[in-house]
Amino acid sequence: DAKTTQPNSMESNEEEPVHLPCNHSTISGTDYIHWYRQLPSQGPEYVIHGLTSNVNNRMASLAIAEDRKSSTLILHRATLRDAAVYYCILRDNGGGADGLTFGKGTHLIIQP
Amino acid sequence: KAGVTQTPRYLIKTRGQQVTLSCSPISGHRSVSWYQQTPGQGLQFLFEYFSETQRNKGNFPGRFSGRQFSNSRSEMNVSTLELGDSALYLCASSLMSGGYNEQFFGPGTRLTVL
Repeated sequence: DAKTTQPNSMESNEEEPVHLPCNHSTISGTDYIHWYRQLPSQGPEYVIHGLTSNVNNRMASLAIAEDRKSSTLILHRATLRDAAVYYCILRDNGGGADGLTFGKGTHLIIQP
Repeated sequence: KAGVTQTPRYLIKTRGQQVTLSCSPISGHRSVSWYQQTPGQGLQFLFEYFSETQRNKGNFPGRFSGRQFSNSRSEMNVSTLELGDSALYLCASSLMSGGYNEQFFGPGTRLTVL
């Protein structure tokens, strides 16, 4: 799977939107962009994923650049519960996909 | 729907022993993946099972093995335990195998090797 680059940490205020960036310049045409997060003392939690078009679900929105070399996870209104490590992961759907390759992720800090 | 369940939640073993961990996926999910999480190495992929067959394997020694049953439940086994095997072992299930599928994680089994 291709690599991703994320900032080590970000800080935001409660009830404000949060934009978490991810660069994946070597993405291939069959790579899906996945986002997971891990809250303290819990297993990872699926957030959202997409291929080419922007995606929305009850948790977040995923904005994918037109050239697919970067994406942004958007939390529309952050709460204290959103404080977690966020992982941007590429998964090849071209056949024989490996497991999720977790990098260091972005540690999101939410200030009350 | 019930989530992914893992048993036991905590386990203490001594070096040289072996251990078996169990994972029950979400009902209807056919793919089960296993991960190891340590402070030093982070989250690392161990292997994935789909329809009772190992589909993919991470970079771990042969002491780490697994299997999947016809009801999609999965077990992983670690033989000849080493101190470095102390970790949180996470199981994740997905509907199918393939990069477009999201994975749902269980709470993990905390293994301590003394």
